[in-house]
Amino acid sequence: NAGVTQTPKFRILKIGQSMTLQCAQDMNHNYMYWYRQDPGMGLKLIYYSVGAGITDKGEVPNGYNVSRSTTEDFPLRLELAAPSQTSVYFCASRPGGAGQPQHFGDGTRLSIL
Amino acid sequence: TQLLEQSPQFLSIQEGENLTVYCNSSSVFSSLQWYRQEPGEGPVLLVTVVTGGEVKKLKRLTFQFGDARKDSSLHITAAQPGDTGLYLCAYSQGGSEKLVFGKGTKLTVNP
Repeated sequence: NAGVTQTPKFRILKIGQSMTLQCAQDMNHNYMYWYRQDPGMGLKLIYYSVGAGITDKGEVPNGYNVSRSTTEDFPLRLELAAPSQTSVYFCASRPGGAGQPQHFGDGTRLSIL
Repeated sequence: TQLLEQSPQFLSIQEGENLTVYCNSSSVFSSLQWYRQEPGEGPVLLVTVVTGGEVKKLKRLTFQFGDARKDSSLHITAAQPGDTGLYLCAYSQGGSEKLVFGKGTKLTVNP
């Protein structure tokens, strides 16, 4: 009964370093999403995918990249980390069909120093 | 992109009190979702409202969708410490696969 699994849960990076945030879901959902959540700012969409091999930009894609080689996995890549990318990152998935709810992971808390 | 305004931004009350939080926009929604996010976790869907004037109940939580489908409210009766969390409303942008979230109402229920 795993749902959406995100790793790592916490990470501290130095400015300029790179890393990949992992996201996996075992519900066979076609749609997957990456959000960042800053204090008092709600959830902002970074990238999303409607199926394997298909990705698209959200509201705040700069500084990030994604890939979707399988239905299950949707990793988020940070290149040249900057302090402005300090945030909590959430991955979500949902099945097809209008109005279906998104299922969220527990987040990755990332600090860039 | 339609703007979702949630109010109040913060709310701190004592156990047993009643409260209402709001989600408003100037535009019409085809549907609206409410999520609750507990500290250290991801948001979890509470309810989806679709029809103007619709009222849905989930134990002590009552959700209402405005007649014109531009606003929604969440009323909690006899709040408990377990209700503490961030309450987010969200809509599906143009019927697309993307959700747009409000900034949320952070509720603290003190024992």
